[in-house]
Amino acid sequence: NAGVTQTPKFRVLKTGQSMTLLCAQDMNHEYMYWYRQDPGMGLRLIHYSVGEGTTAKGEVPDGYNVSRLKKQNFLLGLESAAPSQTSVYFCASTGERGMSYTFGSGTRLTVV
Amino acid sequence: AQSVSQHNHHVILSEAASLELGCNYSYGGTVNLFWYVQYPGQHLQLLLKYFSGDPLVKGIKGFEAEFIKSKFSFNLRKPSVQWSDTAEYFCAVNKIGSQGNLIFGKGTKLSVKP
Repeated sequence: NAGVTQTPKFRVLKTGQSMTLLCAQDMNHEYMYWYRQDPGMGLRLIHYSVGEGTTAKGEVPDGYNVSRLKKQNFLLGLESAAPSQTSVYFCASTGERGMSYTFGSGTRLTVV
Repeated sequence: AQSVSQHNHHVILSEAASLELGCNYSYGGTVNLFWYVQYPGQHLQLLLKYFSGDPLVKGIKGFEAEFIKSKFSFNLRKPSVQWSDTAEYFCAVNKIGSQGNLIFGKGTKLSVKP
C-alpha cells in the first residue's frame, strides 16, 4: 500500500544511547519532514528535506541529525539520547506543491 | 515569528452540542490551511483543507471550517458532536512558496460526554 512507513514503532533507550529512526515513502514525494509530538505542544518540526541529498533544520533540531541519501528514505538520528527526547515522532511527506501530506503512524520513543 | 494559535486547550461538550474550535495564524501572504484529527493512540487524519475558492470548506465526518482572511482565522465547526468525536484536533498552515513546512498549532483536546 502506498504511504509512509516508520520503523520502529516503539523503542526504549537508555540515556546516552544512539538510534536511528527510518521513514520510507513510496509516493515519489520530494519533501519529507520529521516532527515530534509532545503533550500540549502540538507537532514541532525537527528537520526537513526538499529533495534527495538535502536537509534543513526546523524548529527544534538540537540533538538530532538527519540524512536523505535516497529520495524515498529520510533517517532521523539521535547520537546521544536524553530524557528530553522522550516523545512520539512522526514522519510526513508531500509532493512539490505541499497540498497534501501523508503521515506515518509514529514512533513512540522513551529515553530512561 | 510565524505561528499558529489554537485558543482552547481542552473543550468538554455533551453529545449533540455544537462545536467551534478557533485557529488563528500569523503568516503574511497566501497560505494553505488544514485541520487534522488524532484519535487516542492513533496518527493524524486529515479532516479538511483549504487552498482557495469558497472560504467555507466541508470535510469528513460532518466537520466544516471557515476561512476569514481579514481575521487570519480558520475555525472548525460541527453542528452536533458525537461521543466518537472525542479526540485531539490540530490546525496547521503552510505558506505558499515556502518549503512546504507544515506548522501546527498546539492542539485542542475535545472530550464529548455521552
